[in-house]
Amino acid sequence: EVQLLESGGGLVQPGGSLRLSCAASGFTFITYAMSWVRQAPGKGLEWVSSISGTGVNPYYADSVKGRFTISRDNSRNTLYLQMTSLRAEDTARYYCARVTGSVWYFEIWGQGTLVTVSS
Amino acid sequence: QSVLTQPPSVSGAPGQRVTISCTGTTSNFGGVYDVHWYQQLPGTAPRLLIYGNNNRPSGVPDRFSGSKSGTSASLAITGLQAEDEADYYCQSYDNSLSTWVFGGGTKLTVL
Repeated sequence: EVQLLESGGGLVQPGGSLRLSCAASGFTFITYAMSWVRQAPGKGLEWVSSISGTGVNPYYADSVKGRFTISRDNSRNTLYLQMTSLRAEDTARYYCARVTGSVWYFEIWGQGTLVTVSS
Repeated sequence: QSVLTQPPSVSGAPGQRVTISCTGTTSNFGGVYDVHWYQQLPGTAPRLLIYGNNNRPSGVPDRFSGSKSGTSASLAITGLQAEDEADYYCQSYDNSLSTWVFGGGTKLTVL
């Protein structure tokens, strides 16, 4: 069974840092691009970042560019999102998603991990 | 304001047919890209409902269907059931923004 399990969320002060992890199982991890999508409380979905299967090509939304870094460890079947200079507007549930298709869409989703940025 | 435009809410009675619209531009699914749809039941993660404009992943009932014409796309749900009450999102890639984009979401209420 394909599974994605996020972890690492929590309460952090503005300006702080946090690293999210997404443990993948049930598929050949390196053959899939992966993404992070977030959802602020009571709001819609917002694409955050994506990375190719080999990890060579990262992509970022303008709202997080320069502050967030996506990476992956294919030997550990794990996706990461390093978040720095966090702002109140980064408060959201962060979902890990497996990407597929010729122009990527989000095929499989994890349950998400909640990040709260507040003093 | 979302790049893809959806109505905030729609409603229907059990057994009825409802449609949810999604309006884009020639920079996203009105051009060369596809539109995809996601269902988010209350308190749960989104799940892929329709991909590539009109394809259903395995396990999605055939009551759900998608279509696209020009800069407009629609998700249709026939034989509406109480369990269909959820938020629905359209999604595509936008080459003018170089980002993956979502609609603002539509809340479906089953009366």
